[in-house]
Amino acid sequence: QSALTQPASVSGSPGQSITISCTATSSDVGTYNYVSWYQQHPGKAPKLMIYEVSNRPSGVSNRFSGSKSGNTASLTISGLQAEDEADYYCSSYTSSSTWVFGGGTKLTVL
Amino acid sequence: QVQLVQSGAEVKEPGASVKVSCKASGYTFTSYYIHWVRQVPGQGLEWMGIINPSGGTTRYAQKFQGTVTMTRDTSTSTVYMELSSLRSEDTAVYYCARYYYNNGGYPSGWFDPWGQGTLVTVSS
Repeated sequence: QSALTQPASVSGSPGQSITISCTATSSDVGTYNYVSWYQQHPGKAPKLMIYEVSNRPSGVSNRFSGSKSGNTASLTISGLQAEDEADYYCSSYTSSSTWVFGGGTKLTVL
Repeated sequence: QVQLVQSGAEVKEPGASVKVSCKASGYTFTSYYIHWVRQVPGQGLEWMGIINPSGGTTRYAQKFQGTVTMTRDTSTSTVYMELSSLRSEDTAVYYCARYYYNNGGYPSGWFDPWGQGTLVTVSS
């Protein structure tokens, strides 16, 4: 059981917005101030989408945004497109000086 | 551009060892940590450990203590991940990823970019 809990799946129709949550369920995640998000298409390597909770790397669509409230971080995708269908993972540093990933969320675009 | 290129797929028997390489280019090799992450087929990402290419210091996930060794060769800008005593459960895609952080310091970083992944199959 990961110290970061994500929903197994979410879905939405093209043009809609969806939000994927990432909840720290263990005190081992510490202050949980820094979260990053990754997108992974089948058979491909993960790709950075959000860093430091809410920052977007250059080249990533502004339809992707991140936020955090308490011990829950969130990734929001607005204006859903078919190409957004993928697995999404959150990640954080822990107080044990290790790193952890959430279990992953499969996004289906209906 | 910043790039990590990994070695090709491997097939190993149970009990054997495998050594996967990750060659970095496009940046100063010794300035950024490298992580290893694995993904068992159909499952999520699992953090294995980190190596500092500058001094070679490492830190491993508790699960892999005693079976994983991460090393680097600064002359070729390459890091290696060796996993020993392989079992069928170690069948997975293994990724290397560069670790980058800003003003938030070491704990605040993120993984970017990632290597293309190396499939290791453990089968008799």
